[in-house]
Amino acid sequence: SAVISQKPSRDICQRGTSLTIQCQVDSQVTMMFWYRQQPGQSLTLIATANQGSEATYESGFVIDKFPISRPNLTFSTLTVSNMSPEDSSIYLCSVDGTSYDEQFFGPGTRLTVL
Amino acid sequence: GNSVTQMEGPVTLSEEAFLTINCTYTATGYPSLFWYVQYPGEGLQLLLKATKADDKGSNKGFEATYRKETTSFHLEKGSVQVSDSAVYFCALRSSGGSYIPTFGRGTSLIVHP
Repeated sequence: SAVISQKPSRDICQRGTSLTIQCQVDSQVTMMFWYRQQPGQSLTLIATANQGSEATYESGFVIDKFPISRPNLTFSTLTVSNMSPEDSSIYLCSVDGTSYDEQFFGPGTRLTVL
Repeated sequence: GNSVTQMEGPVTLSEEAFLTINCTYTATGYPSLFWYVQYPGEGLQLLLKATKADDKGSNKGFEATYRKETTSFHLEKGSVQVSDSAVYFCALRSSGGSYIPTFGRGTSLIVHP
């Protein structure tokens, strides 16, 4: 299994500002996933981040709004830029398990935008 | 495309009651099926999984059977506890298409003493 930590665990931000969320994994992984979980909703995949290459974004998400870094095999960041109240969500980092079908999730970052 | 449909919540039960949370799916290929659980303030944890038809996944008293004929993967537990209160997500990952998992909307379970 993989142990994943995220920072910050929660934050309250003002409209128009940006927040960078960090994700640290205790083992080297090829792919890292960033999800958004809006209140009462399912998980929505934002992007997939491979080390050494540009992140792949899902429909409805763009790099200017959600820039992602993946500097090494154990770490990634997601920035939520120019925030609005609609960005209030839980943001989750995830990696594949060794069997490549199950996933492991971080504890999430609960973001509130005022 | 792939999709997962879960019963609406919240499901409210008394301790020791029987639990069923329904999950049906549509998918290309032969998907693996999962139940994840999210306790308050935490991320998702894998609860159980099944990778082929008629497989039964089980963990912590929870069970789910992969039913290809009905495209279902219902979660059951014979006697729930207060500590089972959480949100439960059904998910699939298709072997024949995108590696991206598909999640249901989640079902909140509230167990009263």
